[in-house]
Amino acid sequence: TQLLEQSPQFLSIQEGENLTVYCNSSSVFSSLQWYRQEPGEGPVLLVTVVTGGEVKKLKRLTFQFGDARKDSSLHITAAQPGDTGLYLCAGLPGGSARQLTFGSGTQLTVLP
Amino acid sequence: GAGVSQTPSNKVTEKGKYVELRCDPISGHTALYWYRQSLGQGPEFLIYFQGTGAADDSGLPNDRFFAVRPEGSVSTLKIQRTERGDSAVYLCASSSPTGYGYTFGSGTRLTVV
Repeated sequence: TQLLEQSPQFLSIQEGENLTVYCNSSSVFSSLQWYRQEPGEGPVLLVTVVTGGEVKKLKRLTFQFGDARKDSSLHITAAQPGDTGLYLCAGLPGGSARQLTFGSGTQLTVLP
Repeated sequence: GAGVSQTPSNKVTEKGKYVELRCDPISGHTALYWYRQSLGQGPEFLIYFQGTGAADDSGLPNDRFFAVRPEGSVSTLKIQRTERGDSAVYLCASSSPTGYGYTFGSGTRLTVV
């Protein structure tokens, strides 16, 4: 079973601060995705990273896939209250498998 | 449709009853997934369909859970003899044949009392 551990589990910061969320595994993934989920809604895809060492930027969000494709990080610069939500990483094991394994999530609260 | 539609959005049922949860995926998405999510946790995989057939049902917790997708579009998750531990949000997602990402529905919140 491939597990993804996210840290921290909870994060509460002030508007304008920077933060990093980590997603770690002992297993290799062919690709890794980050989702954000708001209360009462399903997760929404933010980004997919597929190459070891890849870095993708989405406005104030920077995503990195580890060189060994076992870990990833999400960095948010100058957080805003609208960034509040549950951030989930999810890995695709590779081969013919199409089902994602999700991490336990990081609940981010950005205070105005 | 424009997005993944799940009905009902909320379902309260008594312990021991039978429930059906419906998912209508994005048109053209051949893959369909069911996940279960407890409060503040990540989604837990239940079953995955490729077309009409279940490609992987290894996440179904026991034989009280069953899912079908008879025409390769709409799917129904069926839970028999519901237990209080089945209470959770049941999420459905679909994906295109070539894409990586899932599009999720808003989920069905199931409460067993």
